[in-house]
Amino acid sequence: DAKTTQPPSMDCAEGRAANLPCNHSTISGNEYVYWYRQIHSQGPQYIIHGLKNNETNEMASLIITEDRKSSTLILPHATLRDTAVYYCIVRVDRNGGYQKVTFGTGTKLQVIP
Amino acid sequence: EPEVTQTPSHQVTQMGQEVILRCVPISNHLYFYWYRQILGQKVEFLVSFYNNEISEKSEIFDDQFSVERPDGSNFTLKIRSTKLEDSAMYFCASGGQTYNEQFFGPGTRLTVL
Repeated sequence: DAKTTQPPSMDCAEGRAANLPCNHSTISGNEYVYWYRQIHSQGPQYIIHGLKNNETNEMASLIITEDRKSSTLILPHATLRDTAVYYCIVRVDRNGGYQKVTFGTGTKLQVIP
Repeated sequence: EPEVTQTPSHQVTQMGQEVILRCVPISNHLYFYWYRQILGQKVEFLVSFYNNEISEKSEIFDDQFSVERPDGSNFTLKIRSTKLEDSAMYFCASGGQTYNEQFFGPGTRLTVL
């Protein structure tokens, strides 16, 4: 699985969009970009994933650059409950539903009132 | 909404004792996982389980660890003789055949004294 680079921490004002960047310059053609988050002392939570097209769901949007070497997770209207560590993970989808997750250190997002 | 549950939420044990951590995955899921997170560190993969056998395990998952799915609903992690360094949050996760995301439980905090 390709390596990812994320800033260790970011702040965002409540109600504003939080844009979390991720670099994955060694990504290969069959690797997906996944985002998870971990609110303090809770289990990680899946947010969104994509291959090359931009994706949106009820939680967030994922913007992947055309060369796929970087991506941005957007939380459109951050709330205090979005304070968490956000993990960008790149991996191949293999073996049907088998989905071991390898976590890095992520970005600690602090939403400020 | 279906969720992964874990019991107990906190387990305190003496070094050398056996512990069993319990998980109830989401009912129609086929893939089951255990992860751990030592305080202040990354979430680390321990083991995955599919079709009643271990499909992958990490270096951490040595002979002191075992997993079992004793019935149709529970998934357990046993540590035979706990060490101080086993103190951590242990997360269970499950995934289905067609889902790309993995669902994590709330975790069991294991404290070894």
